[in-house]
Amino acid sequence: AQRVTQPEKLLSVFKGAPVELKCNYSYSGSPELFWYVQYSRQRLQLLLRHISRESIKGFTADLNKGETSFHLKKPFAQEEDSAMYYCALVVDSNYQLIWGAGTKLIIKP
Amino acid sequence: ETGVTQSPTHLIKTRGQQVTLRCSSQSGHNTVSWYQQALGQGPQFIFQYYREEENGRGNFPPRFSGLQFPNYSSELNVNALELDDSALYLCASSWGGARGKETQYFGPGTRLLVL
Repeated sequence: AQRVTQPEKLLSVFKGAPVELKCNYSYSGSPELFWYVQYSRQRLQLLLRHISRESIKGFTADLNKGETSFHLKKPFAQEEDSAMYYCALVVDSNYQLIWGAGTKLIIKP
Repeated sequence: ETGVTQSPTHLIKTRGQQVTLRCSSQSGHNTVSWYQQALGQGPQFIFQYYREEENGRGNFPPRFSGLQFPNYSSELNVNALELDDSALYLCASSWGGARGKETQYFGPGTRLLVL
């Protein structure tokens, strides 16, 4: 069955420290993955998608098919990065997005 | 450019009742997806509408149904409400019906409480 796992419910790091938010997936097809972010009192919004291989707000994520992972990384955390982060996977058979439970990232000053 | 709007923002129903939630898609978008988000969990896909047709469905019973109108706004209807239907319902619009792979733009959600 298709599944997205974000093992950390909460991640707290100091400003300036590196950040890695973990995402593992289970899917027999060709995976297409996203990271969405929700800042306080704002809506869910797309952060980045693996297919575009871009860096947004200093965040990058590399798809590792061998480890079935799509971890989100940033070398130097900033206070404005504090938010809820969701990893999501597209299922080709019925076009749905399958979401992880999310990781709350807190950046301490 | 107008963003995705949802109404109402909150509502309270009792078990067995029926509810209709509404979503106006972002200007220029022709696809609407609906999600249910229980507390502490990620969104769960209910279904997607593309050009007024259901384009994909998640693992939800038939008492969850929907509509998309010619202006691409959408409704989510839930019949015979159960306590477990209490959740935040999110609507997201996008362009192209590209099978879930397009960027989705989310509304603020409707919080439903079933007593």
